[in-house]
Amino acid sequence: QQPVQSPQAVILREGEDAVINCSSSKALYSVHWYRQKHGEAPVFLMILLKGGEQKGHEKISASFNEKKQQSSLYLTASQLSYSGTYFCGTLNSGGYQKVTFGIGTKLQVIP
Amino acid sequence: SAVISQKPSRDICQRGTSLTIQCQVDSQVTMMFWYRQQPGQSLTLIATANQGSEATYESGFVIDKFPISRPNLTFSTLTVSNMSPEDSSIYLCSVPGRNEQFFGPGTRLTVL
Repeated sequence: QQPVQSPQAVILREGEDAVINCSSSKALYSVHWYRQKHGEAPVFLMILLKGGEQKGHEKISASFNEKKQQSSLYLTASQLSYSGTYFCGTLNSGGYQKVTFGIGTKLQVIP
Repeated sequence: SAVISQKPSRDICQRGTSLTIQCQVDSQVTMMFWYRQQPGQSLTLIATANQGSEATYESGFVIDKFPISRPNLTFSTLTVSNMSPEDSSIYLCSVPGRNEQFFGPGTRLTVL
């Protein structure tokens, strides 16, 4: 079942912060975050495994609330290079499985 | 990590024709996935290609329209048959890693 992402689109000025949310109606094993720039393939950002961990990648971090079946991606002090569409993907069990992707959040950072 | 290449990178095709997309991985993998991404949309899984057995198709996708071959552990093809303008999309192959999925660069298909 496709995870729900919000917001669908956001425009930021350089240096501003943003939060993208991802939720599922089913129990989650892991949440994946990808960024796709226009005309390119999605690029893996990070994975969060059940256990409620939080991870960081440069100024992009994420949290995973297993009980609420939610994950949030935090972009702080945004840069122009952060522009793109962010997808969350979910796995309901471990192992080599296929990820189900949310609809995506289109992020545009302007000067 | 896995490095994936796809051919062709893009194509413009006429309605009613077929196009075969190739996907090559630099390591042996058991599963390969084929996704479709329609303009402005998310990634939708078409099918899972397993070596030595028939592909497993997701709801809404059928073998007659999207036949898949998987002759060995590093290669797969997806054919888009009897194309219509609604088939205009980016088609991506993907392989699972331990904790993530790796994607090929995609094939941008335009059907006139």
